Amino acid sequence: QQQVKQSPQSLIVQKGGISIINCAYENTAFDYFPWYQQFPGKGPALLIAIRPDVSEKKEGRFTISFNKSAKQFSLHIMDSQPGDSATYFCAASTGNQFYFGTGTSLTVIP
Amino acid sequence: DAMVIQNPRYQVTQFGKPVTLSCSQTLNHNVMYWYQQKSSQAPKLLFHYYDKDFNNEADTPDNFQSRRPNTSFCFLDIRSPGLGDAAMYLCATSRGGGSSYNEQFFGPGTRLTVL
Repeated sequence: QQQVKQSPQSLIVQKGGISIINCAYENTAFDYFPWYQQFPGKGPALLIAIRPDVSEKKEGRFTISFNKSAKQFSLHIMDSQPGDSATYFCAASTGNQFYFGTGTSLTVIP
Repeated sequence: DAMVIQNPRYQVTQFGKPVTLSCSQTLNHNVMYWYQQKSSQAPKLLFHYYDKDFNNEADTPDNFQSRRPNTSFCFLDIRSPGLGDAAMYLCATSRGGGSSYNEQFFGPGTRLTVL
């Protein structure tokens, strides 16, 4: 059973546009929700993370929106750049257990 | 710089020939994880160590074993690799403890090819 559902599978955005990736979870025990960015041939790197006691977290062009009642969270990339082209994974964790979404391949067209 | 190091970066083995992948960390983190990531898929957790305590995922095949001789090192042993085990293997660490310390740091991965 997929613990974290992620959509869309792929996304194409024009340079300067907004990229939005959505994730949903079922387990209310999850207490940490990170987003990872992965370039081909590299390990995932933490991009931004949020805890369920806040509804939004912003770091530069990256924002996480969190809806605890709906058990959904999303990543917004403002002013998307070609260098943002990568695969993005959401994840959810409780204790030392981590569960990843299926990933979104983002392509930003110049 | 503190980091997670994986060796080798690329490993080629033959069907059924045992292989060992290595991970080391200079972060002094309590928890070390092994993930398997196949092409265009999410990383799949195989197992993790919290200090010396081993935690196996229920669906991890018996063919996969792990050792953690000390805080810094963790090994992934694949006893009899099959063609389906070809993947990127990712090592990660985290400080452990309560939720405040759950940030994971990933190594660059080892790409395993099975011939």
